[in-house]
Amino acid sequence: GIQVEQSPPDLILQEGANSTLRCNFSDSVNNLQWFHQNPWGQLINLFYIPSGTKQNGRLSATTVATERYSLLYISSSQTTDSGVYFCAAGGYMTATDSWGKLQFGAGTQVVVTP
Amino acid sequence: KAGVTQTPRYLIKTRGQQVTLSCSPISGHRSVSWYQQTPGQGLQFLFEYFSETQRNKGNFPGRFSGRQFSNSRSEMNVSTLELGDSALYLCASSLTRSHEQFFGPGTRLTVL
Repeated sequence: GIQVEQSPPDLILQEGANSTLRCNFSDSVNNLQWFHQNPWGQLINLFYIPSGTKQNGRLSATTVATERYSLLYISSSQTTDSGVYFCAAGGYMTATDSWGKLQFGAGTQVVVTP
Repeated sequence: KAGVTQTPRYLIKTRGQQVTLSCSPISGHRSVSWYQQTPGQGLQFLFEYFSETQRNKGNFPGRFSGRQFSNSRSEMNVSTLELGDSALYLCASSLTRSHEQFFGPGTRLTVL
């Protein structure tokens, strides 16, 4: 099945700093999502981005589908950005029976210090 | 529009018992997927239902099963609980099988 790798595994930032999280995936996909998991376990949707670039406030994401990677940018980080960020990929272009299943990376633990 | 809801939110069971978890998708969504999250294994796909049929299944033993009803609500069942089944169980819904998935708050299951 599809493999998803995230880097770095841990990130410590000072408030106000910028950072980039990376997600590599091993196959063509129909679905690529970024999530932020809050301390209570809820997965918050950040981006649905199988290809292209999107921005939402201080967050933006870019997926280069042909090279099988996605980047999540956090600018001017705040302490509320702390938590685990997950990338998930699914729905291989070539296998419709794989749709509906997301393969998650191991996550990036982000700590933003005041 | 209401989000994905899961009940119960917390559950404590003992080994050997069985448990049923419920998931109500976002109105209009027809695909429901289930995931298990543990500190050791991370987030793992359990199964996916669309139009009341299981379309995809992860690598879990037969003790894990599920179903989907005609209103798209879904339940998952775990029989003969083991200590290792302690986990956060997350349900996600999407409009169709290839659309963005939205997650519920999860059910935290503890097996003693």
